[in-house]
Amino acid sequence: KAGVTQTPRYLIKTRGQQVTLSCSPISGHRSVSWYQQTPGQGLQFLFEYFSETQRNKGNFPGRFSGRQFSNSRSEMNVSTLELGDSALYLCASSLEGLTTEQFFGPGTRLTVL
Amino acid sequence: AQSVTQLDSQVPVFEEAPVELRCNYSSSVSVYLFWYVQYPNQGLQLLLKYLSGSTLVKGINGFEAEFNKSQTSFHLRKPSVHISDTAEYFCAVSAAGTASKLTFGTGTRLQVTL
Repeated sequence: KAGVTQTPRYLIKTRGQQVTLSCSPISGHRSVSWYQQTPGQGLQFLFEYFSETQRNKGNFPGRFSGRQFSNSRSEMNVSTLELGDSALYLCASSLEGLTTEQFFGPGTRLTVL
Repeated sequence: AQSVTQLDSQVPVFEEAPVELRCNYSSSVSVYLFWYVQYPNQGLQLLLKYLSGSTLVKGINGFEAEFNKSQTSFHLRKPSVHISDTAEYFCAVSAAGTASKLTFGTGTRLQVTL
């Protein structure tokens, strides 16, 4: 069974731009969560989607948004990029996200210049 | 809300020696607990999980952990480490029934040397 895939793997943007990251979950998984990993703040939960609806949300500004499609693929968008948004963005999928563990993708490394 | 404390940022150990990575959590509700490992330039790999039942949990690659509710701990152990175990280890907690919303510790860098 294929694992979680994330595209692109690396991305360079400039301040003020916006970016869209994509995540394809493991086949059959319906829950997709996003995390931000930085050296200063560590791993932080962004949001979770289940059946095309945002079910949980972390403490990030509204510039961070996401969506999920009917095939469970998910995208996250960051608008008006700031230098501090430079991070590894990890996507994780889970069967239903309530009592089942998450499996992580390799991440997208975003660099904001 | 939940929080996790990993007291050791780095743990150096010789190959074939035992190791324990410490994790303490705080929560006002029942929790699920997880240990993940991250190798350089990779995502997170699940080592083991505690959802309910037996407090001694066995995972992949010879790792195990014990859930201690009275001490709010979930320490990770391995009786004999290998060079290939060198990596960053993260303890994570979620409220029971919300496994998709994890709160992570700051990580422990396990450095195994000959």
